[in-house]
Amino acid sequence: SQQGEEDPQALSIQEGENATMNCSYKTSINNLQWYRQNSGRGLVHLILIRSNEREKHSGRLRVTLDTSKKSSSLLITASRAADTASYFCALMGEYGNKLVFGAGTILRVKS
Amino acid sequence: EAGVVQSPRYKIIEKKQPVAFWCNPISGHNTLYWYLQNLGQGPELLIRYENEEAVDDSQLPKDRFSAERLKGVDSTLKIQPAELGDSAVYLCASSSEGRVDTGELFFGEGSRLTVL
Repeated sequence: SQQGEEDPQALSIQEGENATMNCSYKTSINNLQWYRQNSGRGLVHLILIRSNEREKHSGRLRVTLDTSKKSSSLLITASRAADTASYFCALMGEYGNKLVFGAGTILRVKS
Repeated sequence: EAGVVQSPRYKIIEKKQPVAFWCNPISGHNTLYWYLQNLGQGPELLIRYENEEAVDDSQLPKDRFSAERLKGVDSTLKIQPAELGDSAVYLCASSSEGRVDTGELFFGEGSRLTVL
């Protein structure tokens, strides 16, 4: 299926530490996106990386993409309590017509 | 710029009752999506509109679910009759025409449905 699989399912860290979440997939993609969802809220787009890109940065976020391994990682540096949320990877199919979300990683940052 | 607006935020109904959710996308966004999110899962696409046209409704259970987007702006998602398994969060999202191929979506806060 096109759905990405996130790993780990849940992650608990101390404030100031880095958090790394991974996403693996099986099909060819146009791009891969990461979204954040705070409890009881809608999803917020964080960053998009295209299939011909290997790394992107946005503030404290760093995303890498390895198309040969069909995997991506999201790194949040110097985490804060406010980063506590669920993080989803979403795959845009090769023909750019459908965005499919994984099951997400629950991140808890303890202050 | 106002975000995607959904109502109601919460709805509790008895099984076999009808329910409707409303979505107002970001002004100028031609593409509108309805997603279903079960507890602990990621959103699953129900239907995607390009203006007034439903271009992908393959995952919409058409026996009980219906949707419309009159005049290519607001949209309504209806369930009739509701079943216990329909308890979930219904998310609306929109994107601008220029971002259709990249797929960056803007989500509303969702409508949480509880069927008793």
